[in-house]
Amino acid sequence: VQVVESGGGLVQPGGSLRLSCEASGFTFSRYWMGWVRQAPGKGLEWVANIKPDGSDKVYEGSVKGRFSVSRDNAKNSLYLEMNSLRAEDTAVYYCARDSGSGAWGFDYWGQGTLVAVSS
Amino acid sequence: DVVMTQSPLSLPVTLGQPASISCTSSQSLVYKDGNTYLNWFQQRPGQSPRRLIYKVSNRDSGVPDRFSGSGSGTDFTLQISRVEAEDVGVYYCMQGTYWPYTFGQGTKLEIK
Repeated sequence: VQVVESGGGLVQPGGSLRLSCEASGFTFSRYWMGWVRQAPGKGLEWVANIKPDGSDKVYEGSVKGRFSVSRDNAKNSLYLEMNSLRAEDTAVYYCARDSGSGAWGFDYWGQGTLVAVSS
Repeated sequence: DVVMTQSPLSLPVTLGQPASISCTSSQSLVYKDGNTYLNWFQQRPGQSPRRLIYKVSNRDSGVPDRFSGSGSGTDFTLQISRVEAEDVGVYYCMQGTYWPYTFGQGTKLEIK
């Protein structure tokens, strides 16, 4: 099982960025997937989750309306579209597989991609 | 939102000695299916988090048996029977019973 994030970088406040996560080693279309972030020197914060077929999405309050999670099961890929970025969105963003029904929680994590929001 | 509170936040431990981390939730984590979705993660310095325990007391594959989880309702504990040097890092509890998922603040384990 492997998940690999990409797409991080430096962006100005108010700007946009799209993160990608490519999964391998498991049947991607059967699992909930999620994004978790970690601000520099801080703890973990859950950001969003998406159902296996993409029909249900859940967001943390501070990103609701600004971030959008999506997936392409044909490409084994997860995405996080981030708009209206703020300084407080600066963090390492991790893509993670959710064990799903029967064992909710993240069992495999990527290495993370750094998003820095600054002028 | 469910608030997860860990203690202590800093845990100096002598090699070979046991260690214990407490995690308390602001409401019961028992889901309507009867399961309790309480997870424990380890984050070693410079690494991604790794799940150690799911559903309170189930060890993930490859996790040494010196790690154990216990608890019920709102009070949970992660125990390390004999701390080794590779256990240094930050430990987080996380509830998966309710949206939004929430993490504890983290407990930094260091060798005394």
